[in-house]
Amino acid sequence: DSGVTQTPKHLITATGQRVTLRCSPRSGDLSVYWYQQSLDQGLQFLIQYYNGEERAKGNILERFSAQQFPDLHSELNLSSLELGDSALYFCASTSTGDSNQPQHFGDGTRLSIL
Amino acid sequence: GENVEQHPSTLSVQEGDSAVIKCTYSDSASNYFPWYKQELGKRPQLIIDIRSNVGEKKDQRIAVTLNKTAKHFSLHITETQPEDSAVYFCAASPNTGFQKLVFGTGTRLLVSP
Repeated sequence: DSGVTQTPKHLITATGQRVTLRCSPRSGDLSVYWYQQSLDQGLQFLIQYYNGEERAKGNILERFSAQQFPDLHSELNLSSLELGDSALYFCASTSTGDSNQPQHFGDGTRLSIL
Repeated sequence: GENVEQHPSTLSVQEGDSAVIKCTYSDSASNYFPWYKQELGKRPQLIIDIRSNVGEKKDQRIAVTLNKTAKHFSLHITETQPEDSAVYFCAASPNTGFQKLVFGTGTRLLVSP
């Protein structure tokens, strides 16, 4: 158990819909990272938050947005969903916002678009 | 920005053999190099990491070596076991605050009994 909690574990929805993925970081960690992993692909960095503020942005689509709340949990919002958005979405956390610290991953949310 | 290349993409070995996965990076400022193991459908798990102030680090059957001059680092697994079968990702990060961790494309390791 990494201490990072992601909900829901599975999500099935249709094209055009909107979903929200939730992540709670390890106790004491201030930074949250979101990754997308399509089938048999690598980890694509989406976005990073540190103590409530956006710190780094990767290849995140305009249809996607995220935020980190005062209690440090984060939500990733995906809208106007397309078939290609089907993937595993992982959240990771670190104690500081520096990327040269070990990232601890949650178990992911598997999103299936029908 | 940083770019990480990982080879091979797939690696098949017999149980008991050694396995070596290699990564190269482009940013000479990178100083943190973790390796993650990901079993099918599971989360990536950190198995070992190394910082640029050391050249080698070992943890039981796993070792990582770093060559800063050549900008490459390698994962070595000795006495492989079937449970070592997974996808392994290398990554690199510069020591400059909020720079993102850059992952390699992954190596699928298959250990046959």
